[in-house]
Amino acid sequence: SQQGEEDPQALSIQEGENATMNCSYKTSINNLQWYRQNSGRGLVHLILIRSNEREKHSGRLRVTLDTSKKSSSLLITASRAADTASYFCATDASQAGTALIFGKGTTLSVSS
Amino acid sequence: DAMVIQNPRYQVTQFGKPVTLSCSQTLNHNVMYWYQQKSSQAPKLLFHYYDKDFNNEADTPDNFQSRRPNTSFCFLDIRSPGLGDAAMYLCATSSEVWTETQYFGPGTRLLVL
Repeated sequence: SQQGEEDPQALSIQEGENATMNCSYKTSINNLQWYRQNSGRGLVHLILIRSNEREKHSGRLRVTLDTSKKSSSLLITASRAADTASYFCATDASQAGTALIFGKGTTLSVSS
Repeated sequence: DAMVIQNPRYQVTQFGKPVTLSCSQTLNHNVMYWYQQKSSQAPKLLFHYYDKDFNNEADTPDNFQSRRPNTSFCFLDIRSPGLGDAAMYLCATSSEVWTETQYFGPGTRLLVL
């Protein structure tokens, strides 16, 4: 069964607005990662947050993690047209030898 | 500065005709992964190598095989492609398994006629 589920599935905003995507997961994790995928391309790692961290920033990105609710959010501030992409969360269950499992992703469209 | 390279970027094959996709990395990472991604779906792990140790996911069809002749290269062999195997195939690397960042190649889009 899928470990991570993103919400919403699709998001359309205007340039300059903030975009928030959420990820929920089912089992205890070691860390949670967010990746971006431009259409027809490979995935690009954005940020990794460990289970003992609550918030992390990288440029215009802010990620939060709430292990009690088994959820994470990715906030992109002051969005640009170049942010148009699909965003995936990926989790590894805390058991050793468990694969990194990707959610279905949120498709973000930023129009100018 | 390409770090994970996949060739070709697009591959067209015929139903049942064996095809090989290749991946190379300049990161000297221990782990190499192959994922299958169908349209609007999450990447699905097929298998991974930790150094020379091959690890197959339980639900990966026998039709899919892999080879890693050295640290830098890894190949995905599809012995008898079916129409359902048309997808994007993504190669990724990491220094260690699971808890580390994975670095992805641009992908190979496979079309089966």
